[in-house]
Amino acid sequence: GENVEQHPSTLSVQEGDSAVIKCTYSDSASNYFPWYKQELGKGPQLIIDIRSNVGEKKDQRIAVTLNKTAKHFSLHITETQPEDSAVYFCAASGGGGSNYKLTFGKGTLLTVNP
Amino acid sequence: DAMVIQNPRYQVTQFGKPVTLSCSQTLNHNVMYWYQQKSSQAPKLLFHYYDKDFNNEADTPDNFQSRRPNTSFCFLDIRSPGLGDAAMYLCATSRDRGNTEAFFGQGTRLTVV
Repeated sequence: GENVEQHPSTLSVQEGDSAVIKCTYSDSASNYFPWYKQELGKGPQLIIDIRSNVGEKKDQRIAVTLNKTAKHFSLHITETQPEDSAVYFCAASGGGGSNYKLTFGKGTLLTVNP
Repeated sequence: DAMVIQNPRYQVTQFGKPVTLSCSQTLNHNVMYWYQQKSSQAPKLLFHYYDKDFNNEADTPDNFQSRRPNTSFCFLDIRSPGLGDAAMYLCATSRDRGNTEAFFGQGTRLTVV
């Protein structure tokens, strides 16, 4: 089945700096890669996603890049703000067999210091 | 407006006493999922319904059951909660399985005493 590795597990940045979180996946048939933000005590919220037919997607301060050859994708947050502090999960899905379900990375705790 | 609603937000139950968590959705999605999330871990899929078709994960204990009486509602039943079942339980929905957006509810925090 699919395996998703996420790094780093914790990330601390100063307000205004950029943050980058990286994930790798194992199933070359996966074709959908969402990113979720989870604040303390709340459910995960989809913040951006990318499909395998594009290499990059941007939404204001958030961007995701995908390298299908290397099987890795990354989340980029620019001009970080304290409200960006949360746990971020990457995930992969969409391949064959049992890969229709989301396989999550282990999460990155992002702390943005004012 | 909330699209995936879980009730209650917090549930305390006694060891061994059956408990039911509920989820409703206004998205008219075909698929409803139940995840278990323990502290500092990723969500772990327990099972899902694709329309009326129930799909259990191989490693989900028999203690966990689910019902989906109609498109909008789905329930998670824990027949005999143990201390190890204390966790956040997340409901999610998607229009279809695989490469489609999944929307999560706010979760129910279950405490077992």
